[in-house]
Amino acid sequence: AQSVTQPDIHITVSEGASLELRCNYSYGATPYLFWYVQSPGQGLQLLLKYFSGDTLVQGIKGFEAEFKRSQSSFNLRKPSVHWSDAAEYFCAVGTINDYKLSFGAGTTVTVRA
Amino acid sequence: DGGITQSPKYLFRKEGQNVTLSCEQNLNHDAMYWYRQDPGQGLRLIYYSQIVNDFQKGDIAEGYSVSREKKESFPLTVTSAQKNPTAFYLCASSASIYGGYTFGSGTRLTVV
Repeated sequence: AQSVTQPDIHITVSEGASLELRCNYSYGATPYLFWYVQSPGQGLQLLLKYFSGDTLVQGIKGFEAEFKRSQSSFNLRKPSVHWSDAAEYFCAVGTINDYKLSFGAGTTVTVRA
Repeated sequence: DGGITQSPKYLFRKEGQNVTLSCEQNLNHDAMYWYRQDPGQGLRLIYYSQIVNDFQKGDIAEGYSVSREKKESFPLTVTSAQKNPTAFYLCASSASIYGGYTFGSGTRLTVV
């Protein structure tokens, strides 16, 4: 079964600084990878996804992520964060065999002025 | 606009009572899911359904039940057998693994 690890529980970043959130997955074949964002008390919104092809994928809100098979990673980045980026971020992995996604425990991002 | 509607947003129940959370989608998605979210634990899968009249247990199904009589609807019942039901519950749907999930805005259940 596939699994996801997000090593960082909480990250604090200054507004305007760059942000990188780590995600490591465990799955034998090519995974389907996703990043979601959740504002407090809300549902999750899809930021970006990777299935195949170009390993650098662009998403909404200025986010991008890079798939590195050798490191089993799918890290999320943003060059310059805005106060509105404060939220919880979830990495998820799925497979072609079924419809289920497995989610990481999440990383909470705090943006300081 | 298409989407997923979860109701109510907040729900309070006394211990020992069953309670049903509503989830409706108009996206024409085949698959629907229920997740439970607790602080620091991410999302844990309760039940999922890939077609009408069929559903499977997820990782934490004990104390929960579901039905899928219509493609648009996937209600979740939290029974009195669930030991610690206070949590944030999220419903999601998908057309295929390629699109990922579309989530509802969640229901916060508090049992007192």
